[in-house]
Amino acid sequence: EAGVAQSPRYKIIEKRQSVAFWCNPISGHATLYWYQQILGQGPKLLIQFQNNGVVDDSQLPKDRFSAERLKGVDSTLKIQPAKLEDSAVYLCASSFPGGGSPLHFGNGTRLTVT
Amino acid sequence: AQKVTQAQTEISVVEKEDVTLDCVYETRDTTYYLFWYKQPPSGELVFLIRRNSFDEQNEISGRYSWNFQKSTSSFNFTITASQVVDSAVYFCALTRSGGSYIPTFGRGTSLIVHP
Repeated sequence: EAGVAQSPRYKIIEKRQSVAFWCNPISGHATLYWYQQILGQGPKLLIQFQNNGVVDDSQLPKDRFSAERLKGVDSTLKIQPAKLEDSAVYLCASSFPGGGSPLHFGNGTRLTVT
Repeated sequence: AQKVTQAQTEISVVEKEDVTLDCVYETRDTTYYLFWYKQPPSGELVFLIRRNSFDEQNEISGRYSWNFQKSTSSFNFTITASQVVDSAVYFCALTRSGGSYIPTFGRGTSLIVHP
């Protein structure tokens, strides 16, 4: 089966600019996650979707971050405006519904904000 | 609230040594799942194993084994006869079984296996 696709792989922007990341989950996976992974730390959940509805976005900095999954498949995560502390790897993952379903991760997008 | 603690930040071993990665978790739920993931230098996290809270049987898969002990809230991972290809960051994760099943990850343990 095809894995989780993410693009771009790398992005360098200046602070206050905007950036968008794209994710295409594994076919049939209703649940989609966006994680932020800062160097040396574990993944931190930003937002979790079930189909096109938001399950949890309590750790998403909503003043600058937004995410959507309009048709319940692809998803985009946007940062506007970016700050230096947003430099991290942004990971997209998908799974079948339910806490027992393992997550399948994409390769991630490494964002550098200068 | 859920919490996963991986106290070992980095472990360095020589090839063929055995190594154990520790994972301690906190949860108020009675039913939950525990996972281990591997993140090699290439960056993509890969699922290794899942264990539900009702199954305390240890599991062995080749050189990998997992020890789940509810009494100590631990889910430790042992690699026997480590190899250079085992070098990666390993993450332990916890998810409740129902409702809002938000996966919580530990900080990860970086394993370096020297030839």
